[in-house]
Amino acid sequence: DAEITQSPRHKITETGRQVTLACHQTWNHNNMFWYRQDLGHGLRLIHYSYGVQDTNKGEVSDGYSVSRSNTEDLPLTLESAASSQTSVYFCASSESGSSYNEQFFGPGTRLTVL
Amino acid sequence: AQKVTQAQTEISVVEKEDVTLDCVYETRDTTYYLFWYKQPPSGELVFLIRRNSFDEQNEISGRYSWNFQKSTSSFNFTITASQVVDSAVYFCALSEAGYSGGGADGLTFGKGTHLIIQP
Repeated sequence: DAEITQSPRHKITETGRQVTLACHQTWNHNNMFWYRQDLGHGLRLIHYSYGVQDTNKGEVSDGYSVSRSNTEDLPLTLESAASSQTSVYFCASSESGSSYNEQFFGPGTRLTVL
Repeated sequence: AQKVTQAQTEISVVEKEDVTLDCVYETRDTTYYLFWYKQPPSGELVFLIRRNSFDEQNEISGRYSWNFQKSTSSFNFTITASQVVDSAVYFCALSEAGYSGGGADGLTFGKGTHLIIQP
């Protein structure tokens, strides 16, 4: 069965370190997204991609970067982790063609920055 | 810019009661899409329903029903005869049509409503 996976599921890091969160989907979807979930804020869009070599900034992109070298993967990098980036991160994917297409979410990565 | 408001932060009811979760949205687009997701205590996000802006027909799926009213910019979700397994955080989300190339600009989520069903 097709799926979307995230790794690691839990990560503790220190302020200033570079951290990369992996997202891999086997749906063969062109659209991929990263969100962060914080209490009192719901989920907010960080970055998204329409396909290979395409990346776009979302609402809360400062301090994050993504790259898309193939269809299956969209890694999220925190260049210099800050305590404000402690959050639960969700990756999602959807078929191209319409914003009406359902987004399938990964299980999430809980990141703690000390 | 689009916005989704879920004014109810937390709702607590006794099992078998009916409960309605409110969702109000703002958008300048005439074409947009609305979604509801459920997040149970295990943390995953479960898709429940989607609706496009041209389809105001209400939807019923078992104990779940959705009322979409463009006149009030609302897309409310009702659970009839609630059960303990319905306890979760529920998110309403909005997506605008995106660029003509067929991409999707991502979802704008409300802050969620934490629904507690007491036995």
